[in-house]
Amino acid sequence: AQKITQTQPGMFVQEKEAVTLDCTYDTSDQSYGLFWYKQPSSGEMIFLIYQGSYDEQNATEGRYSLNFQKARKSANLVISASQLGDSAMYFCASSPHAQGAQKLVFGQGTRLTINP
Amino acid sequence: KAGVTQTPRYLIKTRGQQVTLSCSPISGHRSVSWYQQTPGQGLQFLFEYFSETQRNKGNFPGRFSGRQFSNSRSEMNVSTLELGDSALYLCASSPKPTNTEAFFGQGTRLTVV
Repeated sequence: AQKITQTQPGMFVQEKEAVTLDCTYDTSDQSYGLFWYKQPSSGEMIFLIYQGSYDEQNATEGRYSLNFQKARKSANLVISASQLGDSAMYFCASSPHAQGAQKLVFGQGTRLTINP
Repeated sequence: KAGVTQTPRYLIKTRGQQVTLSCSPISGHRSVSWYQQTPGQGLQFLFEYFSETQRNKGNFPGRFSGRQFSNSRSEMNVSTLELGDSALYLCASSPKPTNTEAFFGQGTRLTVV
């Protein structure tokens, strides 16, 4: 079974600052995928970034990067130069397959608020 | 290209009734997954369908069921509704199960009274 832990229920950050959202995972699977999703108040889950367990390089997508530390079982999301539109809930998730966003296990989420 | 469409967006039902929720995936997507989101339990996986076959099922009672049609549209059904079934039900689609990006709909918010 997989488990995702997000220890920051809420975070407040000044606009243009960088922010790191923490995520640790627990899995017995040899290969797995790690994901970050953003959920604005509209409810839709927006895919941000993916890291496969065998990927040696940290994933990056524009202002988003995933700080993957396999030995520590952590997959923190880093948002550079935060914007007001980044205010939302952020969920870390894992999949029991290195390929595929199937059967996702989500953490409890972090509510990020960007202050002007 | 239209996104994932879930209907209805909002629904109010009475305890004991049954409900059917619909999900139309992005055109060309054949993999559909369903999730339940509640304040207490968070986001939990319900089922996954690919080419009309259920590939995975989450840890939910048999009152929760689903199916996928030949056009990849999916429905989920909850029978004998309980107050605890009140939740946001989210559907996600991807071209096939091995895709690492799943596109979510805006969800159906079900309230059971």
